[in-house]
Amino acid sequence: NAGVMQNPRHLVRRRGQEARLRCSPVKGHSHVYWYRQLPEEGLKFMVYLQKENIIDESGMPKERFSAEFPKEGPSILRIQQVVRGDSAAYFCASSLGQPSSYNSPLHFGNGTRLTVT
Amino acid sequence: GQQVMQIPQYQHVQEGEDFTTYCNSSTTLSNIQWYKQRPGGHPVFLIQLVKSGEVKKQKRLTFQFGEAKKNSSLHITATQTTDVGTYFCAGGGAMFSGGYNKLIFGAGTRLAVHP
Repeated sequence: NAGVMQNPRHLVRRRGQEARLRCSPVKGHSHVYWYRQLPEEGLKFMVYLQKENIIDESGMPKERFSAEFPKEGPSILRIQQVVRGDSAAYFCASSLGQPSSYNSPLHFGNGTRLTVT
Repeated sequence: GQQVMQIPQYQHVQEGEDFTTYCNSSTTLSNIQWYKQRPGGHPVFLIQLVKSGEVKKQKRLTFQFGEAKKNSSLHITATQTTDVGTYFCAGGGAMFSGGYNKLIFGAGTRLAVHP
């Protein structure tokens, strides 16, 4: 039983380039979340998606950031024209049911560590 | 702004000492969840509490959900070096966002255990 798979584990981009982060949820999970974490800080919610729909993107910057979860394939977090301040660990999580549903906890991937040089 | 407050931010203990982290919300929660993140790792689900006044135990870990469902605590008895990591609470509540029971994470408590 594979858990949440994120790739790449580490990603280095120069300022101005694009970063694409991929996340394959646990098999059967249709709810996906993206979080950002700076070193020794908490988890900052970015976006919540449910197959082909963005449910809540209140934590996502209005510019340069976008997320999708297509009918087929992994969820993608895309950061255009990266800046140094985008350097962080980006965690994807998935759940079987809606957030806070009973017995439907979040399963986190290993994260993608993005470094912008 | 932050709607689920967690304290303390850091805690250093000697191995064998007890440890407690607290989580508070200004609004009533539908449930509280606890996660642990080891250094360099990813958050891992520990437990979910749903009922008012609920207490659950996992070996040396005791989780409580307040009577008013606005606060929670995680207590570790006789800490071990394997307990090192950051403990996050996450509160669920429809009042956080219109339309669904959003899960809001606390800032986490970083636990260091000295042998």
